[in-house]
Amino acid sequence: EVQLVESGGGLVQPGGSLRLSCAASGFTFSRYCMSWVRQAPGKGLEWVANIKQDGSEKYYVDSVRGRFTISRDNAKSSLFLQMNSLRAEDTAIYYCAGLPDVWGQGATVTVSS
Amino acid sequence: SYELTQPPSVSVSPRQTARITCSGDALPKQYVYWYQQKPGQAPVLVIYKDTERPSGIPERFSGSSSGTAVTLTISGVQAEDEADYYCQSADSSGTYLLFGGGTKLTVL
Repeated sequence: EVQLVESGGGLVQPGGSLRLSCAASGFTFSRYCMSWVRQAPGKGLEWVANIKQDGSEKYYVDSVRGRFTISRDNAKSSLFLQMNSLRAEDTAIYYCAGLPDVWGQGATVTVSS
Repeated sequence: SYELTQPPSVSVSPRQTARITCSGDALPKQYVYWYQQKPGQAPVLVIYKDTERPSGIPERFSGSSSGTAVTLTISGVQAEDEADYYCQSADSSGTYLLFGGGTKLTVL
């Protein structure tokens, strides 16, 4: 079964840091360009970042560039998102995705004091 | 910055046809993907590369493309099709991905 399982979400204060992880199984992870997509409460989907198959290229939406870092470990079929200097507007469900057809169930990140 | 534009809402009666549009200047160069999202669930791909339907997606879902606009058509809408629908594509360079604002489909 193709599966992506996110972990590491939680409540963090503004200015704090959090690291999301995503464990892949049931498909050849190293062949996929992987993304993080988020959805703020009651809002639409927003692409956050992606990383090429070998990790050589990484791209970010303007609002997180310089604060978030995407990375991967193909040997462990894992994707990561290091989030620093978090803001209230980063509050969202964060989906790990092998666009377009593989999605996790999401990890909730809440930035609040 | 580049945007994909969708209508916020579309309403149809059961067994009628729903059409949801997505427009963007780079669409002649970049494929569009359509996702269905129901409350509390992750998105599900319903159309890829403008017109292709993944296995397991009902035949009533179809996609079409014309210039700077693409359309998701749901023929013979059923109550279970009530959901939010998002288009997704890339900028003209293909580097940065983006989603449309989403369309809430209501089955009357």
